[in-house]
Parts: sequence; C-alpha cells; structure tokens
Amino acid sequence: DIVMTQTPLSSPVTLGQPASISCTSSQSLVHRDGNTYLSWLQKRPGQPPRLLIYKISNRFSGVPDRFNGSGAGTDFTLRISRVEAEDVGIYYCTQGTRFPRTFGQGTKLEI
Amino acid sequence: EVQLVDSGGGLVQPGGSLRLSCVASGFTFSSLGMHWVRLAPGKGLEWVSYIDNSGTNEFYTDSVKGRFTISRDNAKNSIYLQLSGLRAEDTALYYCATGAYDYWGRGTLVTVSS
Repeated sequence: DIVMTQTPLSSPVTLGQPASISCTSSQSLVHRDGNTYLSWLQKRPGQPPRLLIYKISNRFSGVPDRFNGSGAGTDFTLRISRVEAEDVGIYYCTQGTRFPRTFGQGTKLEI
Repeated sequence: EVQLVDSGGGLVQPGGSLRLSCVASGFTFSSLGMHWVRLAPGKGLEWVSYIDNSGTNEFYTDSVKGRFTISRDNAKNSIYLQLSGLRAEDTALYYCATGAYDYWGRGTLVTVSS
C-alpha cells in the first residue's frame, strides 16, 4: 500500500501569514496514464470534506486562489498564501493512483 | 446542483449488520466511480471502498474485506455499502463521495456498541 506522510501534524498559524503543509508518498504517484493523482482535502468541524486541489496543482471550482499545490513524484506541498479565519481545520493529502486509496494522517491548522 | 445524500447509519451490536445508502443527483451518475470514506472519532479520514461506474470492479481496504460489500444501482442513482460482522472499530461517520472526491455526502453515523 502507498503510505502518505504529512508534516507537520499540527500548525499554529497567524492570520494573514502564509502556511505550508508537506506530503510525501512511499511510492511515486505517477500513474501509467502519465497523470499524478495527488489531491488535497479540507475538513472543517461539522462539515464533510472539501476538495481543494487535484492532480497536484489544479484548484477545484470555487477554491480561493490563496490555496496552491505543487510537487512531483513523491513530494508534494500545499501552500496557503495568507491564512484566513475560515481556513482553520484539518488538511489531508490523498493519492488516487493505486488501490487501496490512502490518506495522509491529517494536518491540523489552528490560529 | 450536485447532491449526495447518505443514510442508513445507526446503533448496532458487535457482529451486527447495516446497509448504508447514498442517493446522487445533479450529474450523470452512471459515468462516475464512487467511494465510501469514513472518519472515526479522534482519527483521520480512512478510505473504505470504491466501485467503478458500471459496478464491475470493486475495491476495499484490508480491514473490511470479507465483511463489507459495495454495490450500485444506476437506475436509482444510488450506491450502497452492506456492513456485516461489525466491530467497535468500525464506529465512524461514513461518507459517500464521487470518484475524484469532488462531491461528498454529509455522512451517516455508524455506532457499534453493546
């Protein structure tokens, strides 16, 4: 199984300042079709998970442009350029390249 | 508007069974694979199962293989998760989601306790 490892697991942030979360996979996430199926999800209390980024760096519909994804192969990063109060929650990376699908442990973003 | 409505959760004794349902609307259901993902108390998201758009291929996480069965009825725009041999560690909020995780249900709570 592909293991997804996130760092840090907890990130105190200051409103208006940037934040960054790293995600490393135990195997390359490059699919045989040439795509890399690495996504980032946001989970806020009382809400279902929300897709932020797919295929490393593509923002999903309605996601603010302060959220940016980057990386390749086994190393990926989610950056928030200026944290807002509504960004508090838990962030997960997940791979869609191979079954079983796997998630990172989650990174708690707190003010 | 895309909508996923999951239901069927409840309190069940260890060893018991439940059937979860997820009804979809607002998109061409028969063109997309679908997932079940769960969130246990104090834990992170865990992928449970996937079924492709035609229902031909199914995949499961190891801990539920042989106990859970995913299925779908494209005529009813629905997927299901049959849970059997339930254990305390299956207690979680179960979400259905589209194949790229772009849309999610609000979740249905399964509690396994005597």
